[in-house]
Amino acid sequence: DAKTTQPPSMDCAEGRAANLPCNHSTISGNEYVYWYRQIHSQGPQYIIHGLKNNETNEMASLIITEDRKSSTLILPHATLRDTAVYYCIARASYLYGNKLVFGAGTILRVKS
Amino acid sequence: SQTIHQWPATLVQPVGSPLSLECTVEGTSNPNLYWYRQAAGRGLQLLFYSVGIGQISSEVPQNLSASRPQDRQFILSSKKLLLSDSGFYLCAWSVTTEAFFGQGTRLTVV
Repeated sequence: DAKTTQPPSMDCAEGRAANLPCNHSTISGNEYVYWYRQIHSQGPQYIIHGLKNNETNEMASLIITEDRKSSTLILPHATLRDTAVYYCIARASYLYGNKLVFGAGTILRVKS
Repeated sequence: SQTIHQWPATLVQPVGSPLSLECTVEGTSNPNLYWYRQAAGRGLQLLFYSVGIGQISSEVPQNLSASRPQDRQFILSSKKLLLSDSGFYLCAWSVTTEAFFGQGTRLTVV
């Protein structure tokens, strides 16, 4: 799986959009970009994933650059409960591999 | 719907004692199963993953072992715990896309 790079921490004001960047410059064609988050003392929670098109669900939006070398997770209206560690993972389709490896992630602090 | 059960939630064990943590999944067949460990203030470390019964891949050499005796059962074991085995242990499963995690077991070795 391709290596991903994320800033170690970010702050966001409550009610504002939180934009979390991820660099995956060595991503290969069969690798998806996945985002998870981990709230303190809980198991990680899946947020969203995409291959090359932008994706949106009830939790967040995922913007992937045209060259697929980077992406941004957008939480449109951050709340205090969104404070967590956010992990960006580049992972091949299950047809090509089954490992799921987490990096250090970004600590997002939402402040009132 | 699919659910994952992991127990116990917390565990305090003396150094040198054995360990057995169990994880079971309901509502799906032939899942990929994972064991992770998270030391205090650290990231998630993949310990083992399994693509089928009896098929275990070890990611990090250590004092632990894993077994998958049934399709939806994944067990993490140790014969003799070390202080460094303390941490938050998480089980997860996936089929095609996203992975789903259990609530974790917080192990303290004393």
